[in-house]
Amino acid sequence: GQNIDQPTEMTATEGAIVQINCTYQTSGFNGLFWYQQHAGEAPTFLSYNVLDGLEEKGRFSSFLSRSKGYSYLLLKELQMKDSASYLCAVRGASKIIFGSGTRLSIRP
Amino acid sequence: GAVVSQHPSWVICKSGTSVKIECRSLDFQATTMFWYRQFPKQSLMLMATSNEGSKATYEQGVEKDKFLINHASLTLSTLTVTSAHPEDSSFYICSAQLAERETQYFGPGTRLLVL
Repeated sequence: GQNIDQPTEMTATEGAIVQINCTYQTSGFNGLFWYQQHAGEAPTFLSYNVLDGLEEKGRFSSFLSRSKGYSYLLLKELQMKDSASYLCAVRGASKIIFGSGTRLSIRP
Repeated sequence: GAVVSQHPSWVICKSGTSVKIECRSLDFQATTMFWYRQFPKQSLMLMATSNEGSKATYEQGVEKDKFLINHASLTLSTLTVTSAHPEDSSFYICSAQLAERETQYFGPGTRLLVL
């Protein structure tokens, strides 16, 4: 079967660093996406990994290990506006499958 | 770049009526558009994949006669919820993809409330 696992909720402190993990088992692999979704809004694209390694984009970085079926999203210098759900999504053989999302709460 | 719009953003309708939602890619031609549904505090559920000029591919459990999809051009796809019922109340989101294996960009979503 196809499955994407990520923690349901996480809490972190403003200014700190947080890592959101994602593990996946899919039929085929053609890339992994991270999206940010604020409550009541549509997802916005954060990152795309297709090869192993770390992709850095400002305060956000995403890592992929295809052999382990594992990815993480790293958020640095957390700001209150980073409070949102973070969706891990994998493009399999024919379509993109979304994880249930991780609700990240930032405390002052 | 990569802007996707949806219209309307909010719909309230009576049970039994039909509702049409438009999804447009504003600054690129989308070979494929996708329709998702999201219930509160749940993840996105793919309903169907739509390719311009051909019939949509529906996911298992999604009724094609209830959720009509038309992809008339490379920049427009429409989803019509026919004979809407309260259980169809949800957040409907479309996304557009430039080419195969490209990133999907999401529209702002349409919140449907059926009374």
